[in-house]
Amino acid sequence: EAGVVQSPRYKIIEKKQPVAFWCNPISGHNTLYWYLQNLGQGPELLIRYENEEAVDDSQLPKDRFSAERLKGVDSTLKIQPAELGDSAVYLCASSLGQTSGGQETQYFGPGTRLLVL
Amino acid sequence: KQEVTQIPAALSVPEGENLVLNCSFTDSAIYNLQWFRQDPGKGLTSLLLIQSSQREQTSGRLNASLDKSSGRSTLYIAASQPGDSATYLCAVSDDYKLSFGAGTTVTVRA
Repeated sequence: EAGVVQSPRYKIIEKKQPVAFWCNPISGHNTLYWYLQNLGQGPELLIRYENEEAVDDSQLPKDRFSAERLKGVDSTLKIQPAELGDSAVYLCASSLGQTSGGQETQYFGPGTRLLVL
Repeated sequence: KQEVTQIPAALSVPEGENLVLNCSFTDSAIYNLQWFRQDPGKGLTSLLLIQSSQREQTSGRLNASLDKSSGRSTLYIAASQPGDSATYLCAVSDDYKLSFGAGTTVTVRA
């Protein structure tokens, strides 16, 4: 079974440029998450989707970040414009979404490492 | 806000020694606690998930305990191997939201 796929794996851009990250979750997983991981820290949730609906985007900086999950499968996370402080690893994760109460294991992709110059 | 702390931040042991990794959290109202492994440049791999009603979980050489009332969990890795070198993160679940610690970076010397 294929795991969570993310692309690109690495991205270097200049500040003020736009950037987009793509995620393909495990087949059949209804819940999709985007996390931000700064160097030496644990991941922090940016947004959670249940199918195509963003059910928790409270931690997403909406002035420059946006996300979508069309048709409830693949998802794209965008930053426009990027700032120096956005340099980090962006992780996508998915879970079945069949049980409540945080009972399920989340499966993580390899992440996209972003460097803003 | 849930705060998760992992001590020590780094650990170096000779091969064969048992590893003990600690995790503490401030809010005991959790659904579960998970231990993850992260290799350099890679994503996270779930090692163990302990439901809030459980006291421990075991998988092979790994054993994790949970004391929800005191806000503590410990991950034991028996007979460490060089392949165990990685960063280990614990995360507590409040419904679907995972709150992570910063991790313990483990080096097992051959």
